[in-house]
Amino acid sequence: DVKVTQSSRYLVKRTGEKVFLECVQDMDHENMFWYRQDPGLGLRLIYFSYDVKMKEKGDIPEGYSVSREKKERFSLILESASTNQTSMYLCASSIPQGGGYEQYFGPGTRLTVT
Amino acid sequence: DQQVKQNSPSLSVQEGRISILNCDYTNSMFDYFLWYKKYPAEGPTFLISISSIKDKNEDGRFTVFLNKSAKHLSLHIVPSQPGDSAVYFCAASSQGGSEKLVFGKGTKLTVNP
Repeated sequence: DVKVTQSSRYLVKRTGEKVFLECVQDMDHENMFWYRQDPGLGLRLIYFSYDVKMKEKGDIPEGYSVSREKKERFSLILESASTNQTSMYLCASSIPQGGGYEQYFGPGTRLTVT
Repeated sequence: DQQVKQNSPSLSVQEGRISILNCDYTNSMFDYFLWYKKYPAEGPTFLISISSIKDKNEDGRFTVFLNKSAKHLSLHIVPSQPGDSAVYFCAASSQGGSEKLVFGKGTKLTVNP
């Protein structure tokens, strides 16, 4: 069965802290994605990676960075957390098929920055 | 510029009736469309998809219709059940393009018993 796990379900951090969100998939998928979901704004892509050590910016990369050292693991880093980064963060993975196909999502991390 | 639009933020229907969720897109390069369902505090789960070579795809109570000329797709749920209450996201991609999906903002469906 397909599985994407995220390191925390709920996280509370202070403004200015460095925050690490981790995502692990066990499906041997090449592609991995980080989104944030906010009410009324839907899912917005932050970064994605199509291979180890490869990354591409999504629609809203400002204030974030990512790391992919192993195929199964994709980390999202908030260099200096701010209150406007309070959100639900969702990780997803997929296999490359010459276009965006079904992505499998993790359960999400609800991050609150105070 | 929003390439995938779900113009109804919410929809309320009675149990047993049909739910129709709509989605419009602007990018004519999109040729693969998906619907995801999301419960609060959970990640989205894939529901159903359709390729642009088809105009209908059915899976149990769920049917997706695609009208390419109108750049419009819809998800029909028949009969609706209280457990269908969730946020539904429409997503699109181009098979010859990048691996990204473009999501709409979602429609919150409430099915009343």
